[in-house]
Amino acid sequence: QKEVEQNSGPLSVPEGAIASLNCTYSDRGSQSFFWYRQYSGKSPELIMSIYSNGDKEDGRFTAQLNKASQYVSLLIRDSQPSDSATYLCAVNIDWGKLQFGAGTQVVVTP
Amino acid sequence: NAGVMQNPRHLVRRRGQEARLRCSPMKGHSHVYWYRQLPEEGLKFMVYLQKENIIDESGMPKERFSAEFPKEGPSILRIQQVVRGDSAAYFCASSRGTTTDTQYFGPGTRLTVL
Repeated sequence: QKEVEQNSGPLSVPEGAIASLNCTYSDRGSQSFFWYRQYSGKSPELIMSIYSNGDKEDGRFTAQLNKASQYVSLLIRDSQPSDSATYLCAVNIDWGKLQFGAGTQVVVTP
Repeated sequence: NAGVMQNPRHLVRRRGQEARLRCSPMKGHSHVYWYRQLPEEGLKFMVYLQKENIIDESGMPKERFSAEFPKEGPSILRIQQVVRGDSAAYFCASSRGTTTDTQYFGPGTRLTVL
């Protein structure tokens, strides 16, 4: 059974601080990794995709991938109240099929 | 640039009725995926389709559920004889290709079974 694991949270982060989200996956053959943000009652919105080991930065977001450790993370710098949402880690496990983690709820406090 | 379109956004059915959910992929995308999100649960893959072909339906319940993506028109997820446990958000996503291509999600259809 291929699995994607995330801490469910909630992760409470002071405004302006860095939020760090972690995700582990079981399928060593996975090649594509995604972070989505989902506000309550809304659909998932892509934040980042990452395919190679190392860091990838986009604005206030940085994704990190370590295939040897089967680990992908997301850093949110200068956290804003609008970042309060559930963050979903998704791994492409088979011909386009995405397997999602349960999501980490982030709460940014003023 | 229109994104993934889904309709209806909200659908209410009584037990035993049929539900039809529609999805139009983004322009230029020929791959469609359906996911279900049960209340307080994560997103689960249901089915992956290309035009006129079901590529992977390993996540579809064996009974009452079917999906199609005809040559013309939207992809349709059909649920026959709905039960209360079918109440969920159903999301459609589309991509240009497979494997590494990003999937973009539609707004979803919230199905409520009374």
